[in-house]
Amino acid sequence: QGLLVESGGGVVRPGRALTLSCEATAFTFSSYTMHWVRQTPGQGLEWVALISGDGGTTYYADSVRGRFTISRDNSKNTLFLRMTGLRTEDSAIFFCARDRLVAPAAIDSWGQGTLVTVSS
Amino acid sequence: VVLTQSPGTLSLSPGQRATLSCRASQAISSHYLAWYQQKVGQGPRLLIFGASTRASGIPDRFSGSGSGTAFTLTISRLEPEDFAVYFCQIYGTSPVVTFGPGTKVEIK
Repeated sequence: QGLLVESGGGVVRPGRALTLSCEATAFTFSSYTMHWVRQTPGQGLEWVALISGDGGTTYYADSVRGRFTISRDNSKNTLFLRMTGLRTEDSAIFFCARDRLVAPAAIDSWGQGTLVTVSS
Repeated sequence: VVLTQSPGTLSLSPGQRATLSCRASQAISSHYLAWYQQKVGQGPRLLIFGASTRASGIPDRFSGSGSGTAFTLTISRLEPEDFAVYFCQIYGTSPVVTFGPGTKVEIK
C-alpha cells in the first residue's frame, strides 16, 4: 500500500522559507508520480504541485508557481517541497500524496500531513 | 474546470442512502474523476477512480457514476464510519489537479 510521512512543518514569518520532506516506504518510490496537496484547517483541498517519477516533469498551482519548488531524491525515497516567499495565506496542512501507478489516474495514498503556519 | 459539490452538508441517519453530487463547469472525461473520503485529523482516502471503479478495500456500498459534467457518489446504506467529508477531484491541464469544495455527511 505504501506509507508516507511528512515532516518539516512549523511556524515561520512572512517572506521566509521552509522545506517540507516526505519519506516514502513500502513501495518503489521512483516509479510513482508524487504530489503535494494542502488544506487550510476546516477547509477544502488545494493541489500544490506534482513531480514525475524520474523528477523530470513538474507542475505547479498558479498560487505557488515561482515561489515553491517540488523535488525528489529517489535514492533516499524522499519527496521535498521548498517554499520561499511565504505568505500568511500559505498557512495550511501540507499532505504528501502518491498517484496511481497505472491509468486511470488518482491519488491513492496520502500522508497524515504537516502543519505550516505563516505568521508574524 | 471548476468543480461544484452539492449539497454542502448532508444530514442523514445510519442505514440511510446518501447521494452526493459533483458537477464540472465543462464536460470532462470520466476517466479522470475520483472521489475521496476524509475524516477529521486524517489525510483523504481514495474511494473511487475513473468515476466508477472502487479503490482497493473500499466496501461495495460505495458506488460512483456519471459522465460529462455530472457525477454522483452513492453510499447505499450509511455505516457509522461513513460520516465524513467527501471530495471529488479531476485531472486537467491548468491546474493539473482540481478538487471540489466537499460535502460533509453528518449524523442527523
